[in-house]
Amino acid sequence: QKEVEQNSGPLSVPEGAIASLNCTYSDRGSQSFFWYRQYSGKSPELIMFIYSNGDKEDGRFTAQLNKASQYVSLLIRDSQPSDSATYLCAVNRSKAAGNKLTFGGGTRVLVKP
Amino acid sequence: GAVVSQHPSRVICKSGTSVKIECRSLDFQATTMFWYRQFPKKSLMLMATSNEGSKATYEQGVEKDKFLINHASLTLSTLTVTSAHPEDSSFYICSARAGADTQYFGPGTRLTVL
Repeated sequence: QKEVEQNSGPLSVPEGAIASLNCTYSDRGSQSFFWYRQYSGKSPELIMFIYSNGDKEDGRFTAQLNKASQYVSLLIRDSQPSDSATYLCAVNRSKAAGNKLTFGGGTRVLVKP
Repeated sequence: GAVVSQHPSRVICKSGTSVKIECRSLDFQATTMFWYRQFPKKSLMLMATSNEGSKATYEQGVEKDKFLINHASLTLSTLTVTSAHPEDSSFYICSARAGADTQYFGPGTRLTVL
């Protein structure tokens, strides 16, 4: 089992719709969770982070964390063509695991006009 | 805030030469920086953790003598690819940790070894 798993996609979403991305992780001791967006040929850009169970909203983005089920998700509301990118889920694992980020393989999102 | 720069953005070199890549945190101090490499259509692979004032910690399978890391100050870490070969061609990205665990990435350096 991979430490952080994401569906590779592509996730095709009509413009204006909600894109829903999921991520599961294996280390139950993981402390914090991050979503990054990466455009082709560019480096990752931090979208948001979440530490506590529940929802966290920032503009059109909502992160959801469920530690009991070991998943974190990202919702993108009112999707725009400019949201087309690869979205990377990253998990900061326990201190025993070195306090490093472990990345999922990324989900490619295509927003069609 | 939390801006990380990387230089150069692109480098082409001949096989056997060494290449140095700089990573700077511009508006914050970073005791810890990270170096990643990414192959086309693949996810980020952590190479090493760079700690200011101490030796870098390398991930399994990464040759420390091949990829030299120096973290000379709280705002600068360098990665030197020694005796580069075509298989070292990749996208190298650094990140700097701000606060407890949030990492901000530099724009990356695309290395091509001929």
